[in-house]
Amino acid sequence: NAGVTQTPKFQVLKTGQSMTLQCAQDMNHEYMSWYRQDPGMGLRLIHYSVGAGITDQGEVPNGYNVSRSTTEDFPLRLLSAAPSQTSVYFCASRRGSGNQPQHFGDGTRLSIL
Amino acid sequence: AQTVTQSQPEMSVQEAETVTLSCTYDTSESDYYLFWYKQPPSRQMILVIRQEAYKQQNATENRFSVNFQKAAKSFSLKISDSQLGDAAMYFCAYRSLGTGNQFYFGTGTSLTVIP
Repeated sequence: NAGVTQTPKFQVLKTGQSMTLQCAQDMNHEYMSWYRQDPGMGLRLIHYSVGAGITDQGEVPNGYNVSRSTTEDFPLRLLSAAPSQTSVYFCASRRGSGNQPQHFGDGTRLSIL
Repeated sequence: AQTVTQSQPEMSVQEAETVTLSCTYDTSESDYYLFWYKQPPSRQMILVIRQEAYKQQNATENRFSVNFQKAAKSFSLKISDSQLGDAAMYFCAYRSLGTGNQFYFGTGTSLTVIP
């Protein structure tokens, strides 16, 4: 019963490098989201998707790209990492209807030097 | 966008006592959902309790209950008989039923349980 799986759990990058944070869910959820968590700021929405082929921007989308080619996968790409992107990143998924809660992955701690 | 405010960055409670964490939100919507999530040091986000805005009855889950005051836009979490395992960061979340059905999170309350 995997739920939402995020990889990697930790990553250190140099400024200007690119990388992709992976997220996969096995619950056939329509909705998937990426959040970043910074001290004193709670969770802020980066991008989200309401289904395969459909993505939209959240509150803090700059510097990040996403795609949703399948229901299961929702990768987050940093094209040119900046120190301001040092954060903990969470992927979440849920069903679209009703009072369904978000199911979260275990998070990725990303440090940009 | 909706805003969620948790005005208590830190709280503490004696083991076995009761503590209440506050949450207020700003919205013009009449229907929505509210959630409390717990984040222990392991960093996992764990659902504690949920409330539908159309329900007047306050939700309860074992030792956890809410005081939902729709007119006041208030959604506090009460933890009874606090246990050491309740120590965590607690986040209040609002789920809109508008475009994207997005979740909005508060900044969190760090709860310490004193043995």
